[in-house]
Amino acid sequence: SYELTQPPSVSVSPGQTARITCSKDALPNKFAYWYQQKSGQAPVLVIFEDIKRPSGIPERFSGSRSGAMATLTINGAQVEDEADYYCFSTVNNRGVFGGGTKLTVL
Amino acid sequence: EVRLLESGGGLVQPGGSLRLSCAASGFTVSTKFINWVRQAPGKGLEWVSVMYTSGTVIYADSVKGRFTVSRDTAKNTLYLQINSLSVEDTAVYFCAIDGPNGDLLESWGQGTLVTVSS
Repeated sequence: SYELTQPPSVSVSPGQTARITCSKDALPNKFAYWYQQKSGQAPVLVIFEDIKRPSGIPERFSGSRSGAMATLTINGAQVEDEADYYCFSTVNNRGVFGGGTKLTVL
Repeated sequence: EVRLLESGGGLVQPGGSLRLSCAASGFTVSTKFINWVRQAPGKGLEWVSVMYTSGTVIYADSVKGRFTVSRDTAKNTLYLQINSLSVEDTAVYFCAIDGPNGDLLESWGQGTLVTVSS
């Protein structure tokens, strides 16, 4: 089955750059999407189609892609960015989420 | 403003059935791709299904045959019928719509909790 692999956790100090990776198993030509989920809340789309940022998402959030790896970068991470982050892609019209990365900003 | 409101969750015994609702406002359900995503307690997100504007539904392999998605355009509501429930189906179930610009799962409801327990 298709898998997206994320590190379980990433920790940075406020103001530092946080990078969360998502390794895609095969089918590297599919877009990656990133969602932020704060405790007890619904997920929020922060990056789509590898590099695009929805309106209302702070500019410190960016996405990139290199081969089969997608990366979510938060430049100057803020305490309020502490959350779980999930990458997502599609294969054969079915969605697949990565296991999620807990970002700690402390 | 686009809004999604899930309902219908609750406590159900193993082997039972449940129908979840996703009531939409701010748009017509037949004009958007609408997904179901679930999240078991303390676990990650799991994509469940998508209904296209055509009415075609694609299911995750893990739920195919037990889950059925339908919609009622008069009530502007999407439904998820879940049969033969098992404890592994315990989760918060979210509905989420795809945006028009390739922004998949761009708007989410707050979810409804399904607990399967005897």
